[in-house]
Amino acid sequence: TQLLEQSPQFLSIQEGENLTVYCNSSSVFSSLQWYRQEPGEGPVLLVTVVTGGEVKKLKRLTFQFGDARKDSSLHITAAQTGDTGLYLCAGPRRSSGGSNYKLTFGKGTLLTVNP
Amino acid sequence: NAGVTQTPKFRVLKTGQSMTLLCAQDMNHEYMYWYRQDPGMGLRLIHYSVGEGTTAKGEVPDGYNVSRLKKQNFLLGLESAAPSQTSVYFCASSYTGLTSGANVLTFGAGSRLTVL
Repeated sequence: TQLLEQSPQFLSIQEGENLTVYCNSSSVFSSLQWYRQEPGEGPVLLVTVVTGGEVKKLKRLTFQFGDARKDSSLHITAAQTGDTGLYLCAGPRRSSGGSNYKLTFGKGTLLTVNP
Repeated sequence: NAGVTQTPKFRVLKTGQSMTLLCAQDMNHEYMYWYRQDPGMGLRLIHYSVGEGTTAKGEVPDGYNVSRLKKQNFLLGLESAAPSQTSVYFCASSYTGLTSGANVLTFGAGSRLTVL
């Protein structure tokens, strides 16, 4: 079973602070995705990382894929209240047929950015 | 584009009642999925479909049935609702199941179901 463990589970910070959340697994993933889910909405894709060691930036958000492709991190610089939400990582689940059409999700980090 | 649309958004059922959740996508996606989201449990896959007329079981299929009669629609049915099925249900779709790289999901806004 390819499990994705996210930490911390909850994070409450003040606007302007920096933060990092983590997504770890004992298994190797061909890629990992990060989604953000706002209250009352479905998850929305933020980024996909594919290559070990890859770093991607999305404005104030920096995503990194571990060299061994077993973990990923999301760093937010100068957090804003609009960053509040549930951050989920997800990776493709291997199937017997070999095609990665199912995603395994972590349980998420619930981030609250206070004004 | 509407993307993925789920109906209804809210529903309250009594134990033993039946109901169907409808998911419609207008992106011509081949793959469709039903997830449930519960506090502390994350998103768990109930059933999925890799194309019109096909369905398959996910992690937590018991108590649910699905149908994919048309490519754009994926229905989730509860034949005899139980309180344990109180949850938020999300439908998602994707263009393809890639053998490498990522399979990106587009989610609906969710359907909140309460079973009393």
